[in-house]
Amino acid sequence: DQQVKQNSPSLSVQEGRISILNCDYTNSMFDYFLWYKKYPAEGPTFLISISSIKDKNEDGRFTVFLNKSAKHLSLHIVPSQPGDSAVYFCAASEDNTDKLIFGTGTRLQVFP
Amino acid sequence: DTGVSQDPRHKITKRGQNVTFRCDPISEHNRLYWYRQTLGQGPEFLTYFQNEAQLEKSRLLSDRFSAERPKGSFSTLEIQRTEQGDSAMYLCASWTGPYNEQFFGPGTRLTVL
Repeated sequence: DQQVKQNSPSLSVQEGRISILNCDYTNSMFDYFLWYKKYPAEGPTFLISISSIKDKNEDGRFTVFLNKSAKHLSLHIVPSQPGDSAVYFCAASEDNTDKLIFGTGTRLQVFP
Repeated sequence: DTGVSQDPRHKITKRGQNVTFRCDPISEHNRLYWYRQTLGQGPEFLTYFQNEAQLEKSRLLSDRFSAERPKGSFSTLEIQRTEQGDSAMYLCASWTGPYNEQFFGPGTRLTVL
């Protein structure tokens, strides 16, 4: 049972444009959500997070939006840069002290 | 170095052999997690420690797997009688709160022949 879903396995975006990565979840008990970026042969790197009491969180070029009624979150990267090319994982947890449940990832490619 | 470190980075072994991996968390982090990632999947939770106490184990962690964190600092993950299905990237993460932003090490890639 996949509790966190990333339905787009890949995304290709031109440099300077917006990248939008999507994530859906099924467990209504999730209250904390995170995005990680992963390069080949490295561990995931934390990008940005959001608590269920908020609907938006920004950090520089990265913004995460949470729609609790739709059980949907998205990561916006503006402007996209070639160095953003990586696999992005959405993750969720039931409280702020528990294990992370990950999606299957979306491979983002930013081309010049 | 302020990051999570793992050793070895790569391990190739024959089926039936035992292997042990080590994780050194960020020094002030009291929680330590182990995850496993296979090709095309996201990391899957295996187990976690609060200081030296192992608080939760996934059903993925069969009786061939054992993890320890004897002094609440580094942790080891041992796999006995390895099987080809154990081939994966084993990731360690640490956390100290207040938010659940876990910091991952580079992982140990295990290949069972």
